[in-house]
Amino acid sequence: GESVGLHLPTLSVQEGDNSIINCAYSNSASDYFIWYKQESGKGPQFIIDIRSNMDKRQGQRVTVLLNKTVKHLSLQIAATQPGDSAVYFCAERPGGYNKLIFGAGTRLAVHP
Amino acid sequence: EAQVTQNPRYLITVTGKKLTVTCSQNMNHEYMSWYRQDPGLGLRQIYYSMNVEVTDKGDVPEGYKVSRKEKRNFPLILESPSPNQTSLYFCASSFADRVNTQYFGPGTRLTVL
Repeated sequence: GESVGLHLPTLSVQEGDNSIINCAYSNSASDYFIWYKQESGKGPQFIIDIRSNMDKRQGQRVTVLLNKTVKHLSLQIAATQPGDSAVYFCAERPGGYNKLIFGAGTRLAVHP
Repeated sequence: EAQVTQNPRYLITVTGKKLTVTCSQNMNHEYMSWYRQDPGLGLRQIYYSMNVEVTDKGDVPEGYKVSRKEKRNFPLILESPSPNQTSLYFCASSFADRVNTQYFGPGTRLTVL
């Protein structure tokens, strides 16, 4: 399959633990912040987004936190499962633009 | 099945030989986009299109062309490929008011010798 990211930072967690993946962003004028998941050999898949005027948003087993003061975004995954093993990308959408700017990604490795 | 398809999935070519990577979606999406993915750099946007006959440059458009003559298709054209265009390419689509939620194709691995 197709995959990239041989030198990505890696987060290793035990199955059942909670995972926290962090991301620093640069553009204070971004309207949205988004998380994507890329499994080995596949294209990225949307997980969740958060508008810049919010500081927390919850989905199914995932929570995104936004700290605009320090330009920090995090994705929390509850009760991590082997199927969560993937590369996770944060992305930002600059205000007024119909484009996404992706970060370099973090690899999540879930161990039984 | 709702999907984004890309062809070819793998391509090895030589410098200067024009090539086209096709992208098609069956979800009636207005927005389509091309990205390249390189180790340590994440995904970088090449071009995007808000609708038929409307295209805009992304962050790394040099050396690439696109066209959007039909809503479902968004081909990526490399007129004169060079080795620095060796990469993994992804096509994506979404509704115009849901650009955050893009659906990605399976990727095309391009090697330019």
